Amino acid sequence: EMQLVESGGGLVQPGRSLRLSCTASGFTFDDYAMHWVRQAPGKGLEWVSGISWNSGSIGYVDSVKGRFTISRDNAKRSLYLQMNSLRTEDTALYYCAKDNDGHFDWLSFWGQGTQVTVSS
Amino acid sequence: EVTQPPSVSVSPGQTASITCSGDNLGHKYICWYQQKPGQSPVVVIYEDRKRPSGIPERFSGSHSGNTATLTISGTQTMDEADYYCQAWDSSTAHVVFGGGTKLTVL
Repeated sequence: EMQLVESGGGLVQPGRSLRLSCTASGFTFDDYAMHWVRQAPGKGLEWVSGISWNSGSIGYVDSVKGRFTISRDNAKRSLYLQMNSLRTEDTALYYCAKDNDGHFDWLSFWGQGTQVTVSS
Repeated sequence: EVTQPPSVSVSPGQTASITCSGDNLGHKYICWYQQKPGQSPVVVIYEDRKRPSGIPERFSGSHSGNTATLTISGTQTMDEADYYCQAWDSSTAHVVFGGGTKLTVL
């Protein structure tokens, strides 16, 4: 059974850092691109960042460029999102999602999400 | 930027159509996700018109020019949810979601 389990969320003050993790099982992790997608309370889905199967292709939404860094460790079947200089507008449920392809395509499977709250 | 109507209402048994438009969508595949309250999104249509296994046949997709459309025929109350379209560009390593459409079945 395919699973994506996110962790690392929590309450953090503006300007601080947080590192999210996503552990995958039930599929060949290093065959697929992976993504982070967030959803602020009562709002729509927003793609945050994606990484191809071999980390050769990485993308970010403009609002997080220079502050967030996506990475993956295929040996550990894990995806990460290092979030620095957090802002109140980064408050959201952060989903880890598996791509349908090794490069960017549609998102075929999603985790349950981890909540990030940025507040003083 | 990708635009969807904020809300669509339909009576049970009728056909619901949700559009997704954007300047550069003509050369991109579109997929559609369904998200029910408290749940993670689930894809209902990919590559404009293909249905994943397990998705009912009443869900269909089309794409013409810069507009894609999700159609739900014989809409059921269980179809009430938020629907999002998504496009991607592998060359620029970017993914974009539409703003979402709340489908009400009443």
